[in-house]
Amino acid sequence: GAGVSQSPRYKVAKRGQDVALRCDPISGHVSLFWYQQALGQGPEFLTYFQNEAQLDKSGLPSDRFFAERPEGSVSTLKIQRTQQEDSAVYLCASSSIRASGGHGETQYFGPGTRLLVL
Amino acid sequence: AQTVTQSQPEMSVQEAETVTLSCTYDTSENNYYLFWYKQPPSRQMILVIRQEAYKQQNATENRFSVNFQKAAKSFSLKISDSQLGDTAMYFCAFMIDDKIIFGKGTRLHILP
Repeated sequence: GAGVSQSPRYKVAKRGQDVALRCDPISGHVSLFWYQQALGQGPEFLTYFQNEAQLDKSGLPSDRFFAERPEGSVSTLKIQRTQQEDSAVYLCASSSIRASGGHGETQYFGPGTRLLVL
Repeated sequence: AQTVTQSQPEMSVQEAETVTLSCTYDTSENNYYLFWYKQPPSRQMILVIRQEAYKQQNATENRFSVNFQKAAKSFSLKISDSQLGDTAMYFCAFMIDDKIIFGKGTRLHILP
């Protein structure tokens, strides 16, 4: 595709519900990143993948958050038993080469999924 | 701790004027990359400009340029001849080991 796409764009969940957020990276991009952006804040790193391998999940706020990329392309961020503090925009980004190595490869961001937990 | 500080939460300038957005950061690393991202109201984050920390020459990209002072850990963004389409949130960020750390952003309004 032309860019990173995310779905749904908006999600309203009742507290305690499970949600799944999808990210379609730019075709052929090796690395995929998830960020959480609270209202009025900058994005904060959650996790990243190189192909299907999850190389860093240090930013996931709790064990209710789970991400996967089973075939090395599409990724899903799952939040179990949602809480009000999970309300945020979830951004996905991808980059074209291997993330490791410190090459500073540009990350291309999707439009985000705005999650509201009531 | 690795942090990015943007001291100007909000700024307004007249169209065609020049504006400078400030950014300081803190890291003990020597090799890293610095970025300015723009986030218009549609929320798609767009890369404006990037700077490799090992390069002394300041990056430029058309109307956008940076003033990179490595010793002072300062990385400001200058927008020349500002346009209405420059209205957006601007995030300063740096990358270490491919993890991007963002500042809280500066909301920039370009006034007609």
